[in-house]
Amino acid sequence: EVQLVESGGGLVQPGGSLTLSCAVSGFTSSRYWIHWVRQAPGKGLVWVSRIHSEENMKTYADSVKGRFTISRDNVNNTLSLQMNSLRGEDTAVYYCAKCKYAGTHCDYWGQGTLVTVSS
Amino acid sequence: DIVMTQSPLSLPVTPGEPASISCRSSQSLLHSTGKIHLDWYLQKPGQSPQLLIYLGSNRASGVPDRFSGSGSGTDFTLRISRVEAEDVGVYYCMQGLQVPITFGQGTRLEIK
Repeated sequence: EVQLVESGGGLVQPGGSLTLSCAVSGFTSSRYWIHWVRQAPGKGLVWVSRIHSEENMKTYADSVKGRFTISRDNVNNTLSLQMNSLRGEDTAVYYCAKCKYAGTHCDYWGQGTLVTVSS
Repeated sequence: DIVMTQSPLSLPVTPGEPASISCRSSQSLLHSTGKIHLDWYLQKPGQSPQLLIYLGSNRASGVPDRFSGSGSGTDFTLRISRVEAEDVGVYYCMQGLQVPITFGQGTRLEIK
């Protein structure tokens, strides 16, 4: 069974840092993409970043470029999103999603983890 | 950035009746491979998004055949042939042709 489980969310002050994790399991293919998508309270979906499972390919939304870093640990089957210089507008539920292609066919999603940036 | 515009934003539907959602992109979503890089997702209340349609018209695994996707270029449609109570939630179109990947604003389907 394919599973993605996010963790690491919580309350952080503006300017602070937080690292989200996405534990993946049950994949039959070794080649896929993991995307991070966020959803502010009561709002729509916004794409944040993506990383390939094997190739050194990473991409970021402009709103997080230079502040967020996506990475993977293929030994432990974990993806991470390190978030620095957090702002109030980063407050959201963060989902990781496994996508078959670079920008389409995101067939498995985690349950999400809430990040709240507030003093 | 490619802007995705959905309509309507709210869609009240009587069970058993059909429903359709429109999604327009500010640029063509036709990839050089000939495939349309547009997906449809449904986010049911309190849940994570789930894939309904990928590459414009392909139903995802386990998705009932009452859901269908169509369109080309910049105009796309998600159709539900007969709405059921379990179909309530917010429907999003998403383009994956260019970074940044972008979503429509979402269409909230509710049962009358």
